[in-house]
Amino acid sequence: QKEVEQNSGPLSVPEGAIASLNCTYSDRGSQSFFWYRQYSGKSPELIMFIYSNGDKEDGRFTAQLNKASQYVSLLIRDSQPSDSATYLCAVQYSSASKIIFGSGTRLSIRP
Amino acid sequence: GAVVSQHPSWVICKSGTSVKIECRSLDFQATTMFWYRQFPKQSLMLMATSNEGSKATYEQGVEKDKFLINHASLTLSTLTVTSAHPEDSSFYICSAARLAGDGELFFGEGSRLTVL
Repeated sequence: QKEVEQNSGPLSVPEGAIASLNCTYSDRGSQSFFWYRQYSGKSPELIMFIYSNGDKEDGRFTAQLNKASQYVSLLIRDSQPSDSATYLCAVQYSSASKIIFGSGTRLSIRP
Repeated sequence: GAVVSQHPSWVICKSGTSVKIECRSLDFQATTMFWYRQFPKQSLMLMATSNEGSKATYEQGVEKDKFLINHASLTLSTLTVTSAHPEDSSFYICSAARLAGDGELFFGEGSRLTVL
């Protein structure tokens, strides 16, 4: 079983709509959860991190964490063509430990 | 702040040669750096965890004698791909965790290695 699982996509969403990206993880003791965006040929860039159950909002992005279900998601409101990228979910067991990435979900925003 | 610089950004080498990639944290100290490898259309796979002043911890399946990691200071870690082969061609990315930080990783720009 993979430690961090994501639907590979591609996920196609019309411009202006809400894009919903999902991720599940296997280690119940995981404490920190990250969403990275990666454009083709580039390094990942951090979008959001979340530590506590519930929602965390930052601009058009909302991360949601449910530790009981071992589930973390990312919502992108008012999707823009520039949001088209691969979104990587990442999980960390503790603040000093390695971060494990999911396989990524490819998001395409169609005009 | 929190800039991680990787060099070279791309390199082409002949099979059998060795290639060194540097990862520097420019404006912060990093006791821990992580080396990832990413093949086309795949996710980042952790290769090893590099700790300043001690031996690196390698993930299962990663040959420590082939991928030499040195973390000599709080701002520099190097990855040397020894006796490179075409199957080692990949995008190598380093990341660093800030000393006494909150666990956020800062990524370098990546180094694309092509072995002919």
